[in-house]
Amino acid sequence: SQKIEQNSEALNIQEGKTATLTCNYTNYSPAYLQWYRQDPGRGPVFLLLIRENEKEKRKERLKVTFDTTLKQSLFHITASQPADSATYLCALESGGKSTFGDGTTLTVKP
Amino acid sequence: ETGVTQTPRHLVMGMTNKKSLKCEQHLGHNAMYWYKQSAKKPLELMFVYNFKEQTENNSVPSRFSPECPNSSHLFLHLHTLQPEDSALYLCASSQDLGQGWGNQPQHFGDGTRLSIL
Repeated sequence: SQKIEQNSEALNIQEGKTATLTCNYTNYSPAYLQWYRQDPGRGPVFLLLIRENEKEKRKERLKVTFDTTLKQSLFHITASQPADSATYLCALESGGKSTFGDGTTLTVKP
Repeated sequence: ETGVTQTPRHLVMGMTNKKSLKCEQHLGHNAMYWYKQSAKKPLELMFVYNFKEQTENNSVPSRFSPECPNSSHLFLHLHTLQPEDSALYLCASSQDLGQGWGNQPQHFGDGTRLSIL
């Protein structure tokens, strides 16, 4: 069966460190993978999109990798700040439908 | 400030009531979506509209009835809901589906928190 798994439900790190979040998928062949941020009581906010022929994408302190052999995407936040605390969702398209992972809640402690 | 506005933000209704959720986007997009987000569960896609035409109904029970009168507005009509329908209902929009869903970011509203008594 098709499945998207984000590495852990919660991740706690110290301010200034790099946060690394994982999105693994099985039985999908996505052409694109997206990452979103969601704060409590708010809707998800788009962060980055990466295509299957791209290995890496960067935006300011954010970096996403996409390994179609491992069926995995990694999402990195460098020099993390308490304001980066939120739930991060990965999403992919397969067969014209969008499917989201259940998210990883990141807490950055000062 | 979000370009996608959802009203109401909170709704409490009985199982026999009829209510509607409204979504409006000011981004000039042509694709609109309804999602359900329950506690500890991933976002579930419910309906997709592209240029006012429904292109996806993800096996949603008929007690949920969507309406898309134009590319800027999307409604979700609710009737005879069940307690398990209590959730956050999110609306989203994207440019259009011409190049596939995944090639474009989706812009979400802040949702309607629905509670069924």
